[in-house]
Amino acid sequence: GAGVSQSPSNKVTEKGKDVELRCDPISGHTALYWYRQSLGQGLEFLIYFQGNSAPDKSGLPSDRFSAERTGGSVSTLTIQRTQQEDSAVYLCASSLGTSGSREQFFGPGTRLTVL
Amino acid sequence: AQKVTQAQTEISVVEKEDVTLDCVYETRDTTYYLFWYKQPPSGELVFLIRRNSFDEQNEISGRYSWNFQKSTSSFNFTITASQVVDSAVYFCALSEAGGNQFYFGTGTSLTVIP
Repeated sequence: GAGVSQSPSNKVTEKGKDVELRCDPISGHTALYWYRQSLGQGLEFLIYFQGNSAPDKSGLPSDRFSAERTGGSVSTLTIQRTQQEDSAVYLCASSLGTSGSREQFFGPGTRLTVL
Repeated sequence: AQKVTQAQTEISVVEKEDVTLDCVYETRDTTYYLFWYKQPPSGELVFLIRRNSFDEQNEISGRYSWNFQKSTSSFNFTITASQVVDSAVYFCALSEAGGNQFYFGTGTSLTVIP
């Protein structure tokens, strides 16, 4: 079946503009994660969704960042008033459930460049 | 404090050499899970292996092997007879049974020189 898909693959924007990044998880996966990977760095956890439960937003770096997950499937990460330090690859992952034993399946990422 | 430490930032080996990637983790949970992922130049992370804290058996899969030692909180990854296609960034990760998050190390960039 299809893997995790993300769009757009690349996004270039000007400082101060808002951007929306989209993630389509694997069908049937109830858990969805967003991460940020800056150049040469590891993965920074941003937010986690599990079914209809309240999301774990503990990793969001500022109130300019928000995310939604509609219908328990597609998720959108929104960054308002983008700054140059927001430039990074944003990765989405999904897994079958909340248990920490479940491996995550990653999408190809969206490379965001803020000029 | 870092929950997962990958002290080796970059490693270069010549093809056919063996290479070990180190991973040290930190957790107070008694039930936890350890993972290795590969991120090739194309960028998409690929799951390699998962171990749970109750199973310290080492695992071998082809040229890949993993050494899990709770006594030293380490989960090291060895590639035997490395190949150019093994060139990638490798990430070690930890998840705790009581939490939602995966904690990733900063990755080790492996270059296999032909």
